[in-house]
Amino acid sequence: QSVLTQPPSVSGAPGQRVTISCTGSSSNIGAGSDVHWYQQFPGTAPKPLIYGNTNRPSGVPDRFTGSKSGTSASLAITGLQAEDEADYYCQSYDSSLTAYVFGTGTKVTVL
Amino acid sequence: EVQLLESGGGLVQSGGSLRLSCVASGFTVSAFAMSWVRQAPGKGLEWVSLVTGTTPLYTESVKGRFTISRDTSRRTLYLQMNSLRAEDTAMYYCTKMEGHPMNKWWLDYWGRGTLVTVSS
Repeated sequence: QSVLTQPPSVSGAPGQRVTISCTGSSSNIGAGSDVHWYQQFPGTAPKPLIYGNTNRPSGVPDRFTGSKSGTSASLAITGLQAEDEADYYCQSYDSSLTAYVFGTGTKVTVL
Repeated sequence: EVQLLESGGGLVQSGGSLRLSCVASGFTVSAFAMSWVRQAPGKGLEWVSLVTGTTPLYTESVKGRFTISRDTSRRTLYLQMNSLRAEDTAMYYCTKMEGHPMNKWWLDYWGRGTLVTVSS
């Protein structure tokens, strides 16, 4: 029972821009906890994509951008490429649960 | 280079126990929080447990059954899992955490995972 809600899937043509939302509450994102994003390909471990709401780890293309507002956050992928087809998860900290929480996950499909 | 290598997974009957291990290299284990994250087959990610210098944290469903610990001299993180249930079946990932303070921590390095299967 994830406390962070994401759309199950998003899709777009190569070159397009897609966004993935991550909706939380006043005990996690709305409480000031940072939001982080991970990319996962089938059969492999997740890889960090965005940390601290907006920052990219070294090596992550600037096509990936993160934002946060209120009790929600978003991941945008601009100039969508075939290699971006993967599952994406947001993650934050919930102060009421005293636990780290993941979003429900979103599958990105490149048409 | 940071590396995390898990081991200890396998097939176990419901009610049984397993101990997962994660050998870390490339950083000082005692200086960072570390977590276990799991992923049931075909499902999403679930944070399981965290160890820092203070009280360990657990997700509600494993409290009283799982115990996280680390041996800094062996650079190893452990997860002792008792009273296993079918719903504990998952790939278990060892992760290093980064950031400060606690509500900003993120998982900057992940191992490849070790598979735990609980038969009912």
